[in-house]
Amino acid sequence: DTEVTQTPKHLVMGMTNKKSLKCEQHMGHRAMYWYKQKAKKPPELMFVYSYEKLSINESVPSRFSPECPNSSLLNLHLHALQPEDSALYLCASSQYPGTSTDTQYFGPGTRLTVL
Amino acid sequence: AQSVTQLGSHVSVSEGALVLLRCNYSSSVPPYLFWYVQYPNQGLQLLLKYTSAATLVKGINGFEAEFKKSETSFHLTKPSAHMSDAAEYFCAVSEASKLSFGAGTTVTVRA
Repeated sequence: DTEVTQTPKHLVMGMTNKKSLKCEQHMGHRAMYWYKQKAKKPPELMFVYSYEKLSINESVPSRFSPECPNSSLLNLHLHALQPEDSALYLCASSQYPGTSTDTQYFGPGTRLTVL
Repeated sequence: AQSVTQLGSHVSVSEGALVLLRCNYSSSVPPYLFWYVQYPNQGLQLLLKYTSAATLVKGINGFEAEFKKSETSFHLTKPSAHMSDAAEYFCAVSEASKLSFGAGTTVTVRA
């Protein structure tokens, strides 16, 4: 089973709202990732949690705040977003972080629209 | 840093025809390469991966890719296209769990 789940599937929010995206995996993977994907573009890495510790933060604005409550869960807290933050947000997980043979498995994504 | 380049942003094929998607890599060390597929409004699905065990890699849905060191390529093929193959395809290279993606190739299939 290589399933990563994400909720909600769609989210519409105003620029003053606070919302959270959730991601879950039950494969025993040790790393979890957040990506942002704009239309017709490849995914861009935002954050990586490896063994529940933030290991990569790709200079993402502070209005995005990741949280890893445990090894199976990953949240992305959103606050004061801008319309240009509208995108597909993808979560991924992998079993052997830090190794080149590591394989990432992606969730279905959350389509975020900021009004 | 390792990188991949996908040649051709859009490929159009007839149903039943060969699908060929091109990917070239740049790496000073043996690369670990992946092909992912993304159907409309969905996440990325792993098609196949090369991890140096064999140069010809078979994946899901009838796709395969051949690693050619002399050409620094990892092209994706499928002998006979199906309407369900219409999607976006991404080649990627991994470096310490960081994936570097190509720009993507959109495949359309004509009936």
